[in-house]
Parts: sequence; C-alpha cells; structure tokens
Amino acid sequence: KAGVTQTPRYLIKTRGQQVTLSCSPISGHRSVSWYQQTPGQGLQFLFEYFSETQRNKGNFPGRFSGRQFSNSRSEMNVSTLELGDSALYLCASSPVALAGELFFGEGSRLTVL
Amino acid sequence: ELKVEQNPLFLSMQEGKNYTIYCNYSTTSDRLYWYRQDPGKSLESLFVLLSNGAVKQEGRLMASLDTKARLSTLHITAAVHDLSATYFCAVDKDSNYQLIWGAGTKLIIKP
Repeated sequence: KAGVTQTPRYLIKTRGQQVTLSCSPISGHRSVSWYQQTPGQGLQFLFEYFSETQRNKGNFPGRFSGRQFSNSRSEMNVSTLELGDSALYLCASSPVALAGELFFGEGSRLTVL
Repeated sequence: ELKVEQNPLFLSMQEGKNYTIYCNYSTTSDRLYWYRQDPGKSLESLFVLLSNGAVKQEGRLMASLDTKARLSTLHITAAVHDLSATYFCAVDKDSNYQLIWGAGTKLIIKP
C-alpha cells in the first residue's frame, strides 16, 4: 500500500512569491492534515480536511490556505512568502474521523530567500 | 490552552541502559500519541494510547498513559544505537481534529 506522497520534496523561493504544495494520502484515507515544522516552533497544526471540508485551522495568517479534492488529495498554498515561512511542511492522512493515528509523508522542505 | 511538555529535551545515553521520557499535558485528554523522527525524515507512529492506564510495548519501547496525572511515559529498556532519534508525544485537542505536540526529545545512544 503506497504511503503519503508529498510533492515537491524541496523548493526554494524568494520573498513575496507564492508556493503550492501537494499531498496524496494513503488510499482510503479521507482525513488530511498539514503541519509546519521548524526548529524554533516545533510542530504546529495548519489545517485539517475531511471529505473536502476544512474542519479546523491553526493559528496561521490568511496567507496560508488549503483545499482538498474529491479524491482526497490536498494542496496547501502560501502566498506572499516571508523568510519565516522556511520550514518542513508535513502532510498526514488518517483513516478515522478523529485525529487518530496520523501517517505522515516525507514532507516538503521550503526555503525562502 | 492545551500545552504539552516533554522532558528531557535532550538525552545522551549508553547502549544497554534504561531510561524514561516524560510527557505532561495541561488539560484533560484521553488520547495520546508517540511518534519517532529520524534526522531528515518524516514522523513515524509508535504508539496510540486511548485510555487511562493504557500500556503498549514494542520491542525495547514501552509507553503508558495516566490521564488523571496527565502524564505519559516512554520507557526504553536496554537501549541500542538504532533507537537514536527524536521522540515526540502529541495530544488530541478536544477531538477537534488537531494534535498538540511536545517539543520532542532528542535521544542519542552511544555504543
């Protein structure tokens, strides 16, 4: 069974640009969550989707947005990039409705110059 | 606000020794999770603890949950080098589809 797939794995952007990250969950998993991981702030929740509906959003500015498609694939977008957005962005899927056990992808490492 | 605290944050130990990582959280929750992260890698689920008194074991790792004390422990028995990694605990925040994470414990096991 294929795991969670995130693309791209690495990317470099400059301040002011925008970026879109993609996540394909494990087949059959309908819940997709996104987390930001940085050395300073650790793991922070961005948002969670289930059946194309955002059920919860973390404390991030509106520049961070996401969506989920009917096939459960998800994308997140960060507009007007700032240096502080440099991070590892992790996508996780879950087979259950609650937070449950998360299965993480390898992450997308974003560097903003 | 739910807070999750792990200690120690860094642990260097010799192979063959036993040690315990502690995870305290600030509000009531019946669901606690332990994950492992190797350097440059993603997170891997280790244990899911869903009730007071839950105890789970996998190899040299054993996790337990005391919801009354708001405390979970991850015990390492006779550590081996392959267990070197960063270990995170996370708590389910009011069943609203997000996990609140501890800062992680970086474990280095020396031969």
